Amino acid sequence: QSVLTQPPSVSGAPGQRVTISCTGSGSNIGAGYPVHWYQQFPGTAPKLLIYDNSNRPSGVPDRFSGSRSGTSASLAISGLQAEDEADYYCQSYDYSLSGFWVFGGGTKLTVL
Amino acid sequence: QLQLQESGPGLVKPSETLSLTCTVFGGSISSTSHYWGWVRQPPGKGLEWIGSMFYTGRTDYNPSLKSRVSISVDTSKNQFSLKVRSVTAADTAVYYCARLSGTDGDAAFDIWGQGVMVTVSS
Repeated sequence: QSVLTQPPSVSGAPGQRVTISCTGSGSNIGAGYPVHWYQQFPGTAPKLLIYDNSNRPSGVPDRFSGSRSGTSASLAISGLQAEDEADYYCQSYDYSLSGFWVFGGGTKLTVL
Repeated sequence: QLQLQESGPGLVKPSETLSLTCTVFGGSISSTSHYWGWVRQPPGKGLEWIGSMFYTGRTDYNPSLKSRVSISVDTSKNQFSLKVRSVTAADTAVYYCARLSGTDGDAAFDIWGQGVMVTVSS
């Protein structure tokens, strides 16, 4: 069981907006540690999509946005495109015995 | 453009030691601004952080794996390595090496290797 909880799957039609939640606790997100998001296509390595809660690396479209509040964070994808179909993971830091760098269980995004 | 490349055997027998190496190209492993780490992904499952190191030799490990894992660095070869002892089928996974940018709690895995599939089987 992952320290950070994500929904196993979300879906949306092209052009729509979807959000993926990432729920943690007081020893990670709630402690103020930033949340980072990764996008992974089948058979490939994860790619950093959002860092420090809401910042996009160079080359990431502004359709992708992130936010954090309390013990949770969210990734929003607007103007959904077929090429966005992938797995998405959140990641943060946990100061408890659960470990240091921790990932969510991942969310499969299906574009209908 | 910095790149990472994993290398090592794709098949390991149960109870033996899994050994992988990550070579850093286009940059120095002795960077004072980055950590270097290992992440694995069992088939059809999510990502699991294994451990990380700083070029000085400081290491941090996932508590669930700490008793079986070690990470070392060879700055002369711009490489860092992973060893997982006493492997079982549960250690079958794609193993990624990655760079962490940021300080401890702020760090994100910003550059990844392509990954190497390791199967534990007799």
